[in-house]
Amino acid sequence: GQQLNQSPQSMFIQEGEDVSMNCTSSSIFNTWLWYKQEPGEGPVLLIALYKAGELTSNGRLTAQFGITRKDSFLNISASIPSDVGIYFCAGEAAGNNRKLIWGLGTSLAVNP
Amino acid sequence: DSGVTQTPKHLITATGQRVTLRCSPRSGDLSVYWYQQSLDQGLQFLIQYYNGEERAKGNILERFSAQQFPDLHSELNLSSLELGDSALYFCASTEVGGNTIYFGEGSWLTVV
Repeated sequence: GQQLNQSPQSMFIQEGEDVSMNCTSSSIFNTWLWYKQEPGEGPVLLIALYKAGELTSNGRLTAQFGITRKDSFLNISASIPSDVGIYFCAGEAAGNNRKLIWGLGTSLAVNP
Repeated sequence: DSGVTQTPKHLITATGQRVTLRCSPRSGDLSVYWYQQSLDQGLQFLIQYYNGEERAKGNILERFSAQQFPDLHSELNLSSLELGDSALYFCASTEVGGNTIYFGEGSWLTVV
């Protein structure tokens, strides 16, 4: 099935460092979503973006909807151990009835 | 706790067998989605139901089927199971007019 290109695939960082990950697509999306999945849990929505150029923050997390509508990035500032998990991007085309297209995830490990 | 309940949490079965995964959406949510998550394919949208009716279809195999019952719970039926069907199957639901998709904790299927 169709997938987004999400990078990096994995990251291992020191506590306190900033993190950046991104997703790109060959298709235009009307919605970009960022989810975090922890072991034994389902994905949990972090940030939702609905407009090209939109920049939205949720605590230490900031995400942007690319101007071309074909990409998005997620930044985490001053990482802490509980940021560990897999971060997924997902995009939704117009009228797609929430048929989200997903990235393969970025696995984040934080060294205290 | 997202409010979406999935059973069973773990299931081990043999190739060629058939299993049924069950999902109870959040109270009041009319839409139910099924996703398959595997290591090599990431999160793949399978199918969506809205108030008992199929709304959208994704990468769902013909061996798989789903339905949503009048009480809004949903079942995903997987038949003629193959080793490659081993994956985590997520159910998710959304509120009417809402933008957030809430995921259950998933059903871990292992086919041996």
